[in-house]
Amino acid sequence: DTAVSQTPKYLVTQMGNDKSIKCEQNLGHDTMYWYKQDSKKFLKIMFSYNNKELIINETVPNRFSPKSPDKAHLNLHINSLELGDSAVYFCASSQDFNEQYFGPGTRLTVT
Amino acid sequence: AQTVTQSQPEMSVQEAETVTLSCTYDTSENNYYLFWYKQPPSRQMILVIRQEAYKQQNATENRFSVNFQKAAKSFSLKISDSQLGDTAMYFCAFMRKSGGSNYKLTFGKGTLLTVNP
Repeated sequence: DTAVSQTPKYLVTQMGNDKSIKCEQNLGHDTMYWYKQDSKKFLKIMFSYNNKELIINETVPNRFSPKSPDKAHLNLHINSLELGDSAVYFCASSQDFNEQYFGPGTRLTVT
Repeated sequence: AQTVTQSQPEMSVQEAETVTLSCTYDTSENNYYLFWYKQPPSRQMILVIRQEAYKQQNATENRFSVNFQKAAKSFSLKISDSQLGDTAMYFCAFMRKSGGSNYKLTFGKGTLLTVNP
């Protein structure tokens, strides 16, 4: 069973479109995250939710809107996609200060 | 704000040899965690090892061990008996232990390790 899953794994779209990435974890963790990995492989936190409550919002443009319908799911919706949004987006989950388990990543390409 | 520095963008090692990846960090916190994550070409992020700052004993996981120097804010990773499967990008990461439910990881820029046959 996959612990943290993301769909889709690859997403190619045009500038100006709106797209969503879904994340689900079956580990029973309370906290979920979205990280962005840019073309130079640098990983940076975007958002964190704890029990469906937004905890971290790291100066991400308003075009990015996370939604957590329940503590097992954290989706990322992106409006008006720009070329600079091209990256790999990782979902992760954890229980308190323990290991963060990462999903397989979604490679987003904006053309 | 915390920062994590990995000064070696790329390293290579011969199979079966030992290699050490360096990591330094800057923080005013006293309680925190440090991690090494591995990202092979498959893109999956995999935890290699974890160290709690209040523990003086260095963490070990099979062929992987760390040299944690709290005063120097240094956290290096030693890989013994390197294997071809160790070829990956290695990220050092910091997590502070305070701040409610703020468990975010702050990553270094990574070290690309290549194990040669």
